[in-house]
Amino acid sequence: GENVEQHPSTLSVQEGDSAVIKCTYSDSASNYFPWYKQELGKRPQLIIDIRSNVGEKKDQRIAVTLNKTAKHFSLHITETQPEDSAVYFCAAKGSGYGQNFVFGPGTRLSVLP
Amino acid sequence: DAGITQSPRYKITETGRQVTLMCHQTWSHSYMFWYRQDLGHGLRLIYYSAAADITDKGEVPDGYVVSRSKTENFPLTLESATRSQTSVYFCASTGRNSPLHFGNGTRLTVT
Repeated sequence: GENVEQHPSTLSVQEGDSAVIKCTYSDSASNYFPWYKQELGKRPQLIIDIRSNVGEKKDQRIAVTLNKTAKHFSLHITETQPEDSAVYFCAAKGSGYGQNFVFGPGTRLSVLP
Repeated sequence: DAGITQSPRYKITETGRQVTLMCHQTWSHSYMFWYRQDLGHGLRLIYYSAAADITDKGEVPDGYVVSRSKTENFPLTLESATRSQTSVYFCASTGRNSPLHFGNGTRLTVT
């Protein structure tokens, strides 16, 4: 089955700097890669996603890139702000039965003022 | 998203008791999921359902039972709760080519 790895597990950046979180997946048939942000005590919420027929997608300060050959995808946050502090999860939708989403273990991002 | 609701938000129960966590969605999504979230383990899939009366095991199904008699409801039952089942439980749903949406979660404590 699908396996998703995510690095780093924790990340601290100064306000205004950029943050990059990287994920790798194992199932070459996976075709959908969402990113979720989870604030303390709240539900994971989708912030951006990318499909396998696209190499890059951007939404204001957030961008995601996908390298299908290497089977990795990355989240880029520019001009970080304190409210970006949260846990971020990447996921891959596998090719198995149903709509199985496999999640990475998460990255705790801290934006320091 | 108000379209998927979980109840209760918090539950404390004793070891050995049966407890049911409820999940209801109003989008008519075919697929529904139950995840548990523990420190150091991220989100782990317990059970999922592709449609009414179709369910299947995920990564950590032992000790849990699900049913899906109606498309909009997907309850999760712990038949005999154990302390290791203390966790935050998230229900989620998705339709074809739509993102995965999570409920607010249920924080379960087994004493």
